[in-house]
Amino acid sequence: AQTVTQSQPEMSVQEAETVTLSCTYDTSESDYYLFWYKQPPSRQMILVIRQEAYKQQNATENRFSVNFQKAAKSFSLKISDSQLGDAAMYFCAYRTENYGGSQGNLIFGKGTKLSVKP
Amino acid sequence: EPEVTQTPSHQVTQMGQEVILRCVPISNHLYFYWYRQILGQKVEFLVSFYNNEISEKSEIFDDQFSVERPDGSNFTLKIRSTKLEDSAMYFCASSERGGVGEQYFGPGTRLTVT
Repeated sequence: AQTVTQSQPEMSVQEAETVTLSCTYDTSESDYYLFWYKQPPSRQMILVIRQEAYKQQNATENRFSVNFQKAAKSFSLKISDSQLGDAAMYFCAYRTENYGGSQGNLIFGKGTKLSVKP
Repeated sequence: EPEVTQTPSHQVTQMGQEVILRCVPISNHLYFYWYRQILGQKVEFLVSFYNNEISEKSEIFDDQFSVERPDGSNFTLKIRSTKLEDSAMYFCASSERGGVGEQYFGPGTRLTVT
């Protein structure tokens, strides 16, 4: 079974600085998707960024980028120019890529609580 | 922008009572999911639903749980006899394409069982 591990329960960053959140996963599959979700105090789950395992290029979305190391099964999230609104729980998630079978339920890590200091 | 909606936002119920949590997925989506998050813990998959039947379910989704798409827009999660440990945030999600499409989450329903 696939597992997702986030080893940093809490992280803190100064406003305008850069922070990296770590995520590792375990799978025997070769095709899959990885995601970072943000959960602010409202507890809504918001998709931040996604990465297809077959793509070597790291995904970027404005100030958010990932460092995807497939061999190491590592998927870290870098937030540049941190803003106060970035303060939230961040969850790393894994999903199987399976066109004909599994509907691909998400497997989440335990999350990292990010604080942003003004 | 289309979004997934959930009602109610907060439900308080007594142990042993039945509850129905409601979700309206994005209109052109065909795949639906329920997830649960106990306070302070990670989000856990409960069940996925496609073509009017359950596709996958987790160990958490026991006989006390059921899902239904009673009409063309709603997707419901029913808990027949709630337990204290059912207290959690319940998220509905929908996807246009099951195994490859992104899942869009609703704002969640906070269920409190007393």
